[in-house]
Amino acid sequence: DAGITQSPRHKVTETGTPVTLRCHQTENHRYMYWYRQDPGHGLRLIHYSYGVKDTDKGEVSDGYSVSRSKTEDFLLTLESATSSQTSVYFCAISESGQGPGELFFGEGSRLTVL
Amino acid sequence: AQSVSQHNHHVILSEAASLELGCNYSYGGTVNLFWYVQYPGQHLQLLLKYFSGDPLVKGIKGFEAEFIKSKFSFNLRKPSVQWSDTAEYFCAVLQDTGRRALTFGSGTRLQVQP
Repeated sequence: DAGITQSPRHKVTETGTPVTLRCHQTENHRYMYWYRQDPGHGLRLIHYSYGVKDTDKGEVSDGYSVSRSKTEDFLLTLESATSSQTSVYFCAISESGQGPGELFFGEGSRLTVL
Repeated sequence: AQSVSQHNHHVILSEAASLELGCNYSYGGTVNLFWYVQYPGQHLQLLLKYFSGDPLVKGIKGFEAEFIKSKFSFNLRKPSVQWSDTAEYFCAVLQDTGRRALTFGSGTRLQVQP
């Protein structure tokens, strides 16, 4: 058990409102990721982090920002939510002792933007 | 940018039938390859992985995959599927090991009928 907790698990919001999703890990794993899952697109990388205050963009980063001020928390923020950001968001971590690409995923956060 | 193609979007099989799901990637250099599985209502889990060596890789629950470099393929196989294999299957590739960020295919939904 990689000890990943995502919150909130479900959220409904309105277009234009800010939204923050939180990913919390109980271990001190270096790498953390945010993916979004949409039908027909699989999982697409939004942002990832390779350490405290070290983050980088993924393939679908527009409209999203992230922060990692502590090892255990990786926050994903939608500054002004749009309907196209309705999706299921998964946080993942890569354990230091595992090979690259071996990800452990959280339970997901389902976001609906009306 | 690298890409991953899964040509079968929805596969329906009867129990005991053999399974082969296709996966092709675009990058011509050294890659690490993965198959992840997502059971209904759950998060993604690693099924198997290829880093190097024997191109025939065995994973959990009787699954295996074959890496064919000349065809840029990493197809998933299982000789005899069970109803419990009903899930969505994602192929993924890791091109840049320093980044440790996976690129996923769009997924194949497998439905096994009893």
